[in-house]
Amino acid sequence: QLQLQESGPGLVRPSETLSLTCTVTGDSISSGAFYWAWIRQPPVKGLEWIGTVFYSGSSYYNPSLKSRVTISVDTSKNHFSLKLTSVTAADTAVYYCARFSGSIHNFDFWGQGILVTVSS
Amino acid sequence: EIVMTQSPVTLSVSPGERATLSCRASQSVGSNLAWFQHKPGQAPRLLMYGASTRATGVPARFSGSGSGTVFTLTISSLQSDDFAVYYCQQYSIWYTFGQGTKLEIK
Repeated sequence: QLQLQESGPGLVRPSETLSLTCTVTGDSISSGAFYWAWIRQPPVKGLEWIGTVFYSGSSYYNPSLKSRVTISVDTSKNHFSLKLTSVTAADTAVYYCARFSGSIHNFDFWGQGILVTVSS
Repeated sequence: EIVMTQSPVTLSVSPGERATLSCRASQSVGSNLAWFQHKPGQAPRLLMYGASTRATGVPARFSGSGSGTVFTLTISSLQSDDFAVYYCQQYSIWYTFGQGTKLEIK
């Protein structure tokens, strides 16, 4: 059974780097059958796509976040990671990792999410 | 960026009745429109893609329609499990989501 589990610090200081990991069980990232993505939801706001990565390391980012985002994949650990630099309070959000299916062009399975607060 | 606007913000409907949720895109997205269901503390769930194709395991009481800039999600005969927040999302140019419609019990 597929499971995606986000992990990382729940509190990040302003101007620092937010780092999260999504561990995938029940599927192999290196199979190349799917892409893998990060999506976030700030408090009382809608969902925002952050970026998507393939097992090869090819990645695609939201233009509004591109200058601060890196998504990478570690096939040996079957997980993928998000780094967001120079964070501010506006980056406070629940961060979700998700599987992207190319056949339906969408995010067909999501993790439960992790709340990250940016505060000093 | 394509802006997605959902209406109403909150919809109160009694169990067993029909719910109709609307989504409008700021420019044409063709049929590149998906709907998600989100309950508090849970992972969002893909309901619909291609504007009208139900995702795996989604009951037939959920239906989607529309193309271009105007889309509708209809839930016939609401069940208690259906009360949640619903988001539309376009995937014509990258991915952007609407602000959501909260479907609550009347």
